[in-house]
Amino acid sequence: EPEVTQTPSHQVTQMGQEVILRCVPISNHLYFYWYRQILGQKVEFLVSFYNNEISEKSEIFDDQFSVERPDGSNFTLKIRSTKLEDSAMYFCASTRQATDTQYFGPGTRLTVL
Amino acid sequence: DQQVKQNSPSLSVQEGRISILNCDYTNSMFDYFLWYKKYPAEGPTFLISISSIKDKNEDGRFTVFLNKSAKHLSLHIVPSQPGDSAVYFCAAALELNTPLVFGKGTRLSVIA
Repeated sequence: EPEVTQTPSHQVTQMGQEVILRCVPISNHLYFYWYRQILGQKVEFLVSFYNNEISEKSEIFDDQFSVERPDGSNFTLKIRSTKLEDSAMYFCASTRQATDTQYFGPGTRLTVL
Repeated sequence: DQQVKQNSPSLSVQEGRISILNCDYTNSMFDYFLWYKKYPAEGPTFLISISSIKDKNEDGRFTVFLNKSAKHLSLHIVPSQPGDSAVYFCAAALELNTPLVFGKGTRLSVIA
């Protein structure tokens, strides 16, 4: 069964550094999402992406964040200058069409020191 | 801002019995409700969903009930199995491809 994959599984970085989290959505999916879960808190929506542009973003997704689909398979989340409070699990999700449910990847644990 | 609430952080059930996980929401505009299961070190796995036009949806051992007037939904697992032990998240959305709003999750432990 096709799956959403994410790399790396764990990323450790110093505060102020840039990080890029990578996702490979399911191959025929068209809608892409990033969510995050800070330890002990709920899963929160960051951004959705369709047709090569952001379709919706939350207030968490400020100017430090950006997303890109650089080729036909990858979907990336970049954090330009990481802060301690960016430490969280970051989940990528995708869906094939507007009437489908969202399928999640295994997540990347980001630790900012 | 807790639009989706799961008031029980944990639940223990004996193997073979029924597990009932509850979820309340505040936004009457939500049109879709979903349950995800999450094991440690994995992403949320979709279990079952229900649209606001229905009050029940069943898939094998899993049944979701929706009470729109009470803004309440529940997930029933019958019979519960040890492999069901995980964190269960309730989520809601305006439409299926719009941002999911999650509850905090309920940790289910099924005891053999």
